[in-house]
Amino acid sequence: AQSVSQHNHHVILSEAASLELGCNYSYGGTVNLFWYVQYPGQHLQLLLKYFSGDPLVKGIKGFEAEFIKSKFSFNLRKPSVQWSDTAEYFCAVNGLDSNYQLIWGAGTKLIIKP
Amino acid sequence: EAGVAQSPRYKIIEKRQSVAFWCNPISGHATLYWYQQILGQGPKLLIQFQNNGVVDDSQLPKDRFSAERLKGVDSTLKIQPAKLEDSAVYLCASSFGVNTEAFFGQGTRLTVV
Repeated sequence: AQSVSQHNHHVILSEAASLELGCNYSYGGTVNLFWYVQYPGQHLQLLLKYFSGDPLVKGIKGFEAEFIKSKFSFNLRKPSVQWSDTAEYFCAVNGLDSNYQLIWGAGTKLIIKP
Repeated sequence: EAGVAQSPRYKIIEKRQSVAFWCNPISGHATLYWYQQILGQGPKLLIQFQNNGVVDDSQLPKDRFSAERLKGVDSTLKIQPAKLEDSAVYLCASSFGVNTEAFFGQGTRLTVV
């Protein structure tokens, strides 16, 4: 069965630190990959997505993610985090093999200390 | 552009009572999703509609949950009777098609006591 694994449930960083959140998926076919973010009290919103093309994807607010097909990974990165990046981050995958149903990771709670 | 609208935002009910949630997707979005998100977990798909037809309801507990999207626009999700383990946030999302990004509503936080 398809699955998405996010390695860290909680991450605490200081402002200006670099961020990398891991995401690995188990999926046989061609995939679309997403990172969603949920700020406190707000709804889930798309941070970035990969459908095809350049495996390094840039999203909003300075985030980027790199699709490494050989490692089944889609890690999220930001070179210098801000207090306002405190949120929960979800990795999700879909594809033809799952009838494009989104398979979600459990999420990573990121806390940035001011 | 107006987002996905959901109501109510919060609901507290006793077990064995019934409850209904409403969702109005973004105009023009053919695909509508209902998710259940339990604290500490990622969203779990309950049902997916394409216009007013069901695409996937394999994870919907059909003995107590039902959903409809009669005119291919608004949708309602009902739970009858509710159990304690149904306490969760119920998210509605919509997308232009099955292979495009989904936009989420604020969710309804259900507490069953």
